[in-house]
Amino acid sequence: QVHLVESGGGVVQPGGSLRLSCTASGFAFSSYAIHWVRQAPGKGPEWVAFIRYDGGNKYYADSVKGRFTISRDNSKNTVYLQMNNLRAEDTAVYYCAKGSTGLWSGELGEFGYWGQGTLVTVPS
Amino acid sequence: QSVLTQPPSASGTPGQRIIISCSGSSSNIESNYVYWYQQFPGTAPKLLIYRNNQRPSGVPDRFSGSKSGTSASLAISGLRSEDEADYYCAAWDDSLSVLFGAGTKVTVL
Repeated sequence: QVHLVESGGGVVQPGGSLRLSCTASGFAFSSYAIHWVRQAPGKGPEWVAFIRYDGGNKYYADSVKGRFTISRDNSKNTVYLQMNNLRAEDTAVYYCAKGSTGLWSGELGEFGYWGQGTLVTVPS
Repeated sequence: QSVLTQPPSASGTPGQRIIISCSGSSSNIESNYVYWYQQFPGTAPKLLIYRNNQRPSGVPDRFSGSKSGTSASLAISGLRSEDEADYYCAAWDDSLSVLFGAGTKVTVL
């Protein structure tokens, strides 16, 4: 049974930093891409970042590029999202999601399983 | 970054068939797979359709997806009260990002 658990959310002042973790179980973690997707209150999902199964490729949304860094430790079945220089507009529930095993970029819209999310609040 | 365009709402009576559209461009929908997600309030989105028209196990065959050119559609047949939810389309864009539509709220009258 696939299980993804996010942690590390909280309240942080503008300009501050947080590191989110996503620990996975129930599937061959080192064979799958992982994404971070966020959802601001009352809004739709917004893709944040992607990391390939081996950490070899990483992509970021323009809104977080240069401030957020995605990484993974396959020995711990964990993906991280280091978030620096946080802004009020980063306030959202952050989900990690299991991606595909495919190497074709056209499959990168696939989020097969999602965690329960962790709330990040940056007061304005 | 470009966006995927969905109608904000759709509705129907029980048993009806409704269709939700998702309009994009040559750099996203036309050249990559389209995915659909269902979300109930307070919960994470759930994969409903993958690779344009495939259903994950456990998704009823009342849900179907299609794609033509720069547009995609999600059809819900035999509409049921438990289908009331928000529905989002998503696709990879060749500008190196994943795009979501703004979502369609489905109401069962």
